[in-house]
Amino acid sequence: QSVLTQPPSASGTPGQTVTISCSGSSSNIGSNVVNWYQQLPGTAPKLLIYSNYQRPSGVPDRFSGSKSGTSASLAISGLHSEDEADYYCAAWDDSLDVPMFGGGTKLTVL
Amino acid sequence: EVGLVESGGGLVQPGGSLRLSCAASGFTFSSYAMSWVRQAPGKGLEWVSGISGSGVSTYYADSVRGRFTISRDNSKNTVYLQMNSLRVEDTAVYYCAKGVNTAMVSYYYMDVWGSGTTVTVSS
Repeated sequence: QSVLTQPPSASGTPGQTVTISCSGSSSNIGSNVVNWYQQLPGTAPKLLIYSNYQRPSGVPDRFSGSKSGTSASLAISGLHSEDEADYYCAAWDDSLDVPMFGGGTKLTVL
Repeated sequence: EVGLVESGGGLVQPGGSLRLSCAASGFTFSSYAMSWVRQAPGKGLEWVSGISGSGVSTYYADSVRGRFTISRDNSKNTVYLQMNSLRVEDTAVYYCAKGVNTAMVSYYYMDVWGSGTTVTVSS
């Protein structure tokens, strides 16, 4: 069981906005930044959001991140079929002194 | 162009050993911490191990501590993962990933990933 909790699945239709949550604790999200990774089918993970809301160059501004207390969220607006992927949140855990991943959320574009 | 290429995966019996390698290119290798992340079939990502840019500091997930050893050779731009006492549950695709600074710190994240190498532990 992951230290960071994500819903196993999410879905939306093209053009919609979908939000994926990531719940942690005071030892991880509550005291450290959250990062998000996107894994398209059959490919390696890719950095999507870092330091809670920052986007690496090349990531569309349709993707946005936020954090409040011990929870974080990834929002995808104007959903595209190519956004269908697995999404993982991650944060450093002060108790374990290592980075941790959430269990991942499989996004389906209907 | 920045790149990471893993190698060394394969089929090994339970209790066996394997050494993975990750060759880096396109950046000043010694300036960045590196990590290994694995993904079991049909499962999520699991961070396995990390090493600072100098190689002095190493970090392990509880699931592999005492069995796996991470190391790096900055003259060869390569990071290694020595895996001993392998178990069936170590079966996974192992990814090498680059950190964003020389140390593994609380704001650590991985901005470049390799394509992975597959490790299968089975009798």
